[in-house]
Amino acid sequence: SYVLTQPPSVSVAPGQTARITCGGNNIGSKSVHWYQQKPGQAPVLVVYDDNDRPSGIPERFSGSNSGNTATLTISRVDAGDEADYYCQVWISSGDHLYVFGTGTKVTVL
Amino acid sequence: QITLKESGPTLVKPAQTLTLTCTFSGFSLSSGGVGVGWIRQTPGKALEWLGLIYWNDDKRYNPSLKNRLTITKDTSKNQVVLRMTNMEPVDTATYYCAHKRGYCVSTDCYEYDWFDPWGQGTLVAVSS
Repeated sequence: SYVLTQPPSVSVAPGQTARITCGGNNIGSKSVHWYQQKPGQAPVLVVYDDNDRPSGIPERFSGSNSGNTATLTISRVDAGDEADYYCQVWISSGDHLYVFGTGTKVTVL
Repeated sequence: QITLKESGPTLVKPAQTLTLTCTFSGFSLSSGGVGVGWIRQTPGKALEWLGLIYWNDDKRYNPSLKNRLTITKDTSKNQVVLRMTNMEPVDTATYYCAHKRGYCVSTDCYEYDWFDPWGQGTLVAVSS
């Protein structure tokens, strides 16, 4: 089965840049999507297709994807960005499957 | 504006069947390419995709749960129903339904492989 590995936690000071990685075998060949989940709320899509943003998502959120690692970058972090973040891909070979990463808790210091 | 909301029991006993309903608005499940998915989140916060139903009644299930899942739709009511049999305590989770965007051009249909938006989720506990 396909596994997406994320660091459990990332800490960042306000105004700085947070980078959250998502590791998977040859993930660069797949489209990666990112969700933000604040406490008690449902996940919200913040980046799709590696580096596109849904309407209403600030430009501070961006993504990249190459090789075995995809990265979500949050620039100029503020307290409102404190949340859990999950990556997700679609596996089309063989079984039809949507896989989520293990999740990363972003803490704003 | 697309909204979805899950409803169903908050507590089921082991070996029982769970039935959850997703009631949505802002889109039609008869529109080409569109789908509704089910995802659950364990108390430990892991997300697991369960299954998906498309506008044309095509269905996809997580292979690891396929034998226990059934997803159906009622387009006239704007509802999707998830049934999961033989519930166990490890199935305790928050269950979400989510919209999956897609479109058709002539006879060719395309889907986007992300979920947006999600319902608020419903917590289901499995315990005797």
